[in-house]
Amino acid sequence: AQTVTQSQPEMSVQEAETVTLSCTYDTSESNYYLFWYKQPPSRQMILVIRQEAYKQQNATENRFSVNFQKAAKSFSLKISDSQLGDTAMYFCATGDYRDDKIIFGKGTRLHILP
Amino acid sequence: SAVISQKPSRDICQRGTSLTIQCQVDSQVTMMFWYRQQPGQSLTLIATANQGSEATYESGFVIDKFPISRPNLTFSTLTVSNLSPEDSSIYLCSVAGPETQYFGPGTRLLVL
Repeated sequence: AQTVTQSQPEMSVQEAETVTLSCTYDTSESNYYLFWYKQPPSRQMILVIRQEAYKQQNATENRFSVNFQKAAKSFSLKISDSQLGDTAMYFCATGDYRDDKIIFGKGTRLHILP
Repeated sequence: SAVISQKPSRDICQRGTSLTIQCQVDSQVTMMFWYRQQPGQSLTLIATANQGSEATYESGFVIDKFPISRPNLTFSTLTVSNLSPEDSSIYLCSVAGPETQYFGPGTRLLVL
C-alpha cells in the first residue's frame, strides 16, 4: 500500500520569499513516481512538478524544485521567489506504473502574503 | 495534455435523490478515474473506469452507491445515489496521461 504524509496543514510566507513544503511517503513499489499538485480556489488541479523515483537528479520547473531523498522517502517542494498566484492548496502524491492510480497526501494550504 | 469538462459544475440536491455527473475528454483515453474531495480534505479515489469493463472500486466505495458508466473512450458518468448530507463534496474525474493525471474542474455537490 502507498501512503503520503504532509505534516504542514497550513503555511504563510511573504511575497518573494522562498518556502519549502514537506512530504514523506511510503510505498512497496520499486518503480514509482512522485508529484506535487496545486489546487487554487478555482478547484482546478494543476500539476506543478513530477519526479520519477529511478532518477537521482532533482526535478525543477522554473521557480519550483524538489528535494528527493529516496532512502528517507522524502519529497519536499521548494518555491523560490514566491508570488501571490502561488496561493493554493498543495498536494504531494505518489503513483506507480502498474495501474496509474495516484495516492494523495492531505495537503498543505499555502498563503502568499503581499 | 488532455482537456476535461464536467457537468454540472455544481448542484444542490435533496436527500434521497441521485445526481449523475458527466465527464468528457477531448481525446481517447483508456483509463479514467473518479475522486471525491470532501470539504477541506484531500482527494480520495472512488473508482477506476476502463472502457468496456466494469469499474474497479476502492475500499469503502460500492457500485450500488456510486454506479459508473464508461460507454466509450472519451466519456464517463458517475452517479451518486440515495444522497445524504455526508455526500456533500467535490467530485473530480481525471484521465491518465503519459506522465501524470489530468483533472477536470470538479463538480460541487451540496445535499440538503
